[in-house]
Amino acid sequence: NAGVTQTPKFQVLKTGQSMTLQCAQDMNHEYMSWYRQDPGMGLRLIHYSVGAGITDQGEVPNGYNVSRSTTEDFPLRLLSAAPSQTSVYFCASSSGRESGNTIYFGEGSWLTVV
Amino acid sequence: TQLLEQSPQFLSIQEGENLTVYCNSSSVFSSLQWYRQEPGEGPVLLVTVVTGGEVKKLKRLTFQFGDARKDSSLHITAAQPGDTGLYLCAGRAAGGFKTIFGAGTRLFVKA
Repeated sequence: NAGVTQTPKFQVLKTGQSMTLQCAQDMNHEYMSWYRQDPGMGLRLIHYSVGAGITDQGEVPNGYNVSRSTTEDFPLRLLSAAPSQTSVYFCASSSGRESGNTIYFGEGSWLTVV
Repeated sequence: TQLLEQSPQFLSIQEGENLTVYCNSSSVFSSLQWYRQEPGEGPVLLVTVVTGGEVKKLKRLTFQFGDARKDSSLHITAAQPGDTGLYLCAGRAAGGFKTIFGAGTRLFVKA
């Protein structure tokens, strides 16, 4: 059971570099999202999507782009990495139809920007 | 902007003690969820509460949703070292898909 798969698990970037965090889910979920987790700040929503072709901003979208060309994939792009983007990133999905649907998380991607 | 405030942020207790974690907001949520997160892993759902005033029990854990659906609490009876972890509350806006999380309560239960 793959669930939500995100790669890479660890990445070190230099300031100004770009990269893409990959996320895929095999549960046919409509709703996918990206969160970042920093010490003492819980999970903050970056971007989310309610279906293929539809994306929207969350709480902290600046510096990140997303796209949703298929139901399964929801990549997160850092256009020009900054040290403030050092964090743990979690991709998540849920079926989204009913209130209180379970959110399934990937294992996380640890990103360090130097 | 919707905010979920959790308290306390950190809790260190002895095995066998009881504890309560709170999750408060000025906004109304269609549902409130509690997740537990272990180091190096993503959060895992413990419970979902949907109806104002709802109480759910999961073994030694009791979850309550406030009557106005703006707050929730998690009570653990006779805590055990296996309860150690980060507890996160998450609220879903009424009529929407966005789910926001509180900052979390880090619980450490000493044997």
